This record gives sequence, structure tokens and C-alpha cells, in this order.
Amino acid sequence: EVQLVETGGVVVQPGGSLRLSCAASGFAFDDYTMHWVRHTPGKGLEWVSLISWDGNRRNYADSVKGRFTISRDNTRNSLYLQMNSLTTEDSALYYCVKDTPFDDWGQGTLVTVSS
Amino acid sequence: IVLTQSPGTLSLSPGERATLSCRASQSVPSNYLAWYQQKPGQPPRLLIYAARHRATGIPDRFSGGGSKTDFTLTITRLEPEDFAVYYCQQYDTSPPYPFGGGTKVEIK
Repeated sequence: EVQLVETGGVVVQPGGSLRLSCAASGFAFDDYTMHWVRHTPGKGLEWVSLISWDGNRRNYADSVKGRFTISRDNTRNSLYLQMNSLTTEDSALYYCVKDTPFDDWGQGTLVTVSS
Repeated sequence: IVLTQSPGTLSLSPGERATLSCRASQSVPSNYLAWYQQKPGQPPRLLIYAARHRATGIPDRFSGGGSKTDFTLTITRLEPEDFAVYYCQQYDTSPPYPFGGGTKVEIK
């Protein structure tokens, strides 16, 4: 059974940084592209970033480009999202997602950017 | 590509047929259009991929159709567990992978 468990979401001040993690199990992690997707009640679902199976391809939504960095450690079956220069617009529930289309999702980790 | 879903809310009774629309601002390459269902407190669940193919374990009352810029998700007979928010998404070979704004199917 595929399991994706996100951690790292907290309350952080505007301008701050945060690192999200996703622990994957139940599948061959190093075979799959992985994504981060976020959800807010007002804006709905927004794709944030992807990383190819080998880490050589990384793409970002325009809204986070230059501030967020996606990475992975295939030896630890883990996905990461380094988030810098956070704004209130980044407040959301962040999901770790397997493959394209998005066929398996974690439960999400909540990021709140507030002073 | 911008995806526009309509209606914003659909009020129906169990047993009725639901038809949801997703319109793309330009043609979706290879019909790489997916539909997801999301219930409160849960992550989205993939229902349909490549416009018309049901994902694993999805009941056959869910069907996808359409091509190029106009796509539909049909639920032939609404079950109580089908009342949720539905999103369409384009997932071409290159990102970004935009979602539509969602359609809420609520109990009338």
C-alpha cells in the first residue's frame, strides 16, 4: 500500500523559512516523479513543484519560483520542499503527491504564514 | 492553459445524474485531462485520467468525456458518498499542471 506522510508544517512569520518532508513507502520511490501540491479554501488546488525520479528535472510554479526548492533522497525514500521568503499567500495545506497524473496523495501538512 | 469549471455548485438528490464541465483556454495536448474528487478533511482522489479512463477502483457510474477544450465528468446515479468537490486538471508533458476552480456537488 502506498503511503506518503508529510511533516514540517508550522506557523511561521512572513519572510521566514520552512522545510517540508515527505516519507514514502509501499512503492519503488526511485522510479517515480514526485510533486508538491497545495490547497487553500479560497484558491483551491495549486500545483507547486515537481522533481523527476533522478532529481535531474525540477520545475516550479511561477508563484514560488526562486523561493522554493524541491529535492529528494532516494536512499531515504524521502521528498523535501525548502520554502524561503514566505508570504501570507503561501499559507496552505501542502500535499506530497506521487506520479503524473496524481494518483496517490499524502494527508498533507499545514503551513500558516502569519505575524 | 486556464481551466474553467462549471457550474460552481450543483444541487442534486441521490439517484440523480450529475454532469460537470471543464473548459480549457486552449486545446489540451493528447487529452491529458484528469478529474479528482475531494471530500472534507481528505486529500483529492484521482477518478479519471486521459479524459476518459477510470482510475483503479473507481466505480463505473463515473465517466469522463470530451476532447481538446471541452471535457465533462458524468456521475450517472449519485450515491451519498459522491457529494464532494470535483476538480479537473491538465497534465501535459511539461508543467505547470493547472487545476480548475472546482465544482461542489451538494445534496439538494
